[in-house]
Amino acid sequence: GESVGLHLPTLSVQEGDNSIINCAYSNSASDYFIWYKQESGKGPQFIIDIRSNMDKRQGQRVTVLLNKTVKHLSLQIAATQPGDSAVYFCAERGSGSARQLTFGSGTQLTVLP
Amino acid sequence: KAGVTQTPRYLIKTRGQQVTLSCSPISGHRSVSWYQQTPGQGLQFLFEYFSETQRNKGNFPGRFSGRQFSNSRSEMNVSTLELGDSALYLCASSRASGGIYNEQFFGPGTRLTVL
Repeated sequence: GESVGLHLPTLSVQEGDNSIINCAYSNSASDYFIWYKQESGKGPQFIIDIRSNMDKRQGQRVTVLLNKTVKHLSLQIAATQPGDSAVYFCAERGSGSARQLTFGSGTQLTVLP
Repeated sequence: KAGVTQTPRYLIKTRGQQVTLSCSPISGHRSVSWYQQTPGQGLQFLFEYFSETQRNKGNFPGRFSGRQFSNSRSEMNVSTLELGDSALYLCASSRASGGIYNEQFFGPGTRLTVL
């Protein structure tokens, strides 16, 4: 079946450094991808999205890169801050009639002082 | 404007019981989706409702059901609870259904524990 997975379950970075969170997806027909951030006790929060006809999109301190050749998605966070500590999920939306989101397993990002 | 609200936030039930969870979407949003989140399976799609109609359904048994009211509020019901139903149940709302680029806004979730 289709799946979206993350390469690393945990990631620790020093405050001020850049963070890179990776995601592999298996459904080559997916045409839309989203990164969510989930803090403890809260629901997932939208960070940034990208359509399959793009390979890069930038937001405020975040950049998403999409490599369709190897079916890989990454989230880059610049100048990581303590408030960035959370679990990050990638999600894909398939091209079938259902079009629901399929989420990856998540990466726990910890920002060290 | 107010975000997605879910009630109750925490719930403890015993096996065999049934439970109803409630979700109030953001004002103006007509689509409500439900997800189950567990440490082992991650976030899994349950179903989506739009204009009181179920539009999509995930791979969950028939014990999981839902409905949507005319004011877009939604409820989900789980009957004959099993230990494995212990999870965080998340509701997400969006303006429309099925569109590729409809951003979903999540509520804080209802933490269900089945004893």
